[in-house]
This record gives sequence, C-alpha cells and structure tokens, in this order.
Amino acid sequence: QAQLVQSGAEVKKPGASLKVSCSISGYTLDDLSIHWVRQAPGKGLEWMGGFDPESNETLYAPKFLGRVRMTEDTTSDTAYFMLTSLKFDDTAVYYCTSDWPNFVFWGQGTLVTVSS
Amino acid sequence: QSALTQPPSASGSPGQSVTFSCTGTSSDIGGYNFVSWFQQYPGKAPKVIIYEVSKRPSGVPNRFSGSKSGNTASLTISGLQAEDEADYYCSSYVGTNGAIFGGGTKLTVL
Repeated sequence: QAQLVQSGAEVKKPGASLKVSCSISGYTLDDLSIHWVRQAPGKGLEWMGGFDPESNETLYAPKFLGRVRMTEDTTSDTAYFMLTSLKFDDTAVYYCTSDWPNFVFWGQGTLVTVSS
Repeated sequence: QSALTQPPSASGSPGQSVTFSCTGTSSDIGGYNFVSWFQQYPGKAPKVIIYEVSKRPSGVPNRFSGSKSGNTASLTISGLQAEDEADYYCSSYVGTNGAIFGGGTKLTVL
C-alpha cells in the first residue's frame, strides 16, 4: 500500500508561483506514476497532468500548458508540482495521486489560496 | 475536452439500490476500459471504489459494483447505508490526452 504525503497549505498572491511536494512511502517513484488533480471550492475534480510510463512522457492538461511543470526526485521518492502566474481561480485543493490510470492512491491534499 | 457527464444529485433510502451514470464519448469511456469511480466525503481526499470499469479494491464492500455500456459507465450501490452519503466521481483514461473526470454526483441517503 503506497502512502502519499503532501506539503502543507499555502497562501499566494496573484502572479506568484507555487510548488507542492508529494512524498511516497511503501513504494518507490520508479514503481508509481504520479499525477496531479485539483478541486476548487465546491467544485469537481480536475486532472492537471502526470507521468505516462507507456510514452515515458509527462502529460499535461491543455489548459495548464505553459504554466505547469511536474518533476520527480527518485533519490528522495518525492514528486513536485509547480504552477506559475497564479490567478484567483487557482484557489483549490491540489492532490497527488497514483497507480495511473486508476488513481488508487491519493495524498491528503494541499490547500492553496490565491489572495491579494 | 469536456468533463464526463454525471447527474448532479441522486437519492435513495437505506436498503435500496441506486445507480449513477457517467457519460462520455468514444474517445474516453467508449474507447478504453479504464473507468474509475471515487467516493469523497467533505474535506477528505477521494477514495477509489471501482477501477478498470468493474474491479473493486480490497476493503471495498461488494455492495459497490461498476459496469460499462458503450460510452456510458455506471456505478451501482446496493443495500444503501447511511454512510454511503457522499459525493461520487467517475474518471476515464483518454490516451495521450491523459484523463478526464465527471462533474460528480451528490448522493443523499433519505
């Protein structure tokens, strides 16, 4: 059973950048394909991107292209999510998830508030 | 790419069965057998209850079952219990376009 533990809540100003971490235990990053999903307040789940082992590429949802980057540090089994040029409507809980494409394992979520 | 279509709400009485639908296209649900269903309580992370259309992770009661016909996937909860009151989301693999979620269905147990 994989455990995904995310970094803590963040408050950011519009235009700033965000970096969220997701530490894996019980498995290694070589075994998992980490994806990122967000959920705005009172809204549904939205897939943002993640690693596809079949193509060996990181896939990104078109609406975030140019603003999002997902990386992995296999030495520490930690995945990172970065989002730039933050807007008010980027306020959401950001989740890391894995066992692509079934999304079996989930982190606890990181609340990101974009506020001036 | 538009979200998968789920009815916004559903309800049922304890002991009854309820079925949720999740409608997509031939490019998502109809094209792959990678449909997952998630249960989410307020303030909590989603929990997968069905994956690959009809498989149940260990620990998920067999009251939960999934199926697919064409471009529509379905989740059935039989023997409804009060603790089943939650939001339910579907997702589908979309090949090189990644994944897509439904808008969610809020289940009320009467």
